[in-house]
Amino acid sequence: TQLLEQSPQFLSIQEGENLTVYCNSSSVFSSLQWYRQEPGEGPVLLVTVVTGGEVKKLKRLTFQFGDARKDSSLHITAAQPGDTGLYLCAGVKTSYDKVIFGPGTSLSVIP
Amino acid sequence: NAGVTQTPKFRILKIGQSMTLQCTQDMNHNYMYWYRQDPGMGLKLIYYSVGAGITDKGEVPNGYNVSRSTTEDFPLRLELAAPSQTSVYFCASSYGRKNTEAFFGQGTRLTVV
Repeated sequence: TQLLEQSPQFLSIQEGENLTVYCNSSSVFSSLQWYRQEPGEGPVLLVTVVTGGEVKKLKRLTFQFGDARKDSSLHITAAQPGDTGLYLCAGVKTSYDKVIFGPGTSLSVIP
Repeated sequence: NAGVTQTPKFRILKIGQSMTLQCTQDMNHNYMYWYRQDPGMGLKLIYYSVGAGITDKGEVPNGYNVSRSTTEDFPLRLELAAPSQTSVYFCASSYGRKNTEAFFGQGTRLTVV
């Protein structure tokens, strides 16, 4: 059983389109992180959200932490081929300090 | 900057063989982690360490062992390799816990045949 669920699992879109991917859990997290992983590389941190309801923007990427700190979303505006990769959400529970990763959303942006 | 360095990058093992995956970081981070990544399953935590001399089990520790004799190094030992251990292994480190960023190595692709 996955503690963190991500949807969709796969997404293929045309350059210029908008998209949203989701990270959901029945558990409360003290923080959620989003990483991007390119083929043959390790994940690289994009953002950390800490406060329920928090919204953070990173250029064309908008991250939101749910009010109850159980879910998060990543919205990409005007997707570009360089956005292609595996997007992983990772949660840290308040009861321990291990970081738990979701299964990821594999995004492909076609020129 | 080297960051987190893993060796080897690729390895093929026969069933029953043993090997050590090496991981070293030059950022003076206290926390280090070993994950395995299987297709569609995200990253599963194998073992982690909060400092030299201290290690603890993660979600999937069976079949693995670790040690942390120095701040820099966190090797992962596979004893009696099994096909179920075929995976990509990532080592990571972070300064602290909770909200701090984890830095990952490039991974070791292991195949057990």
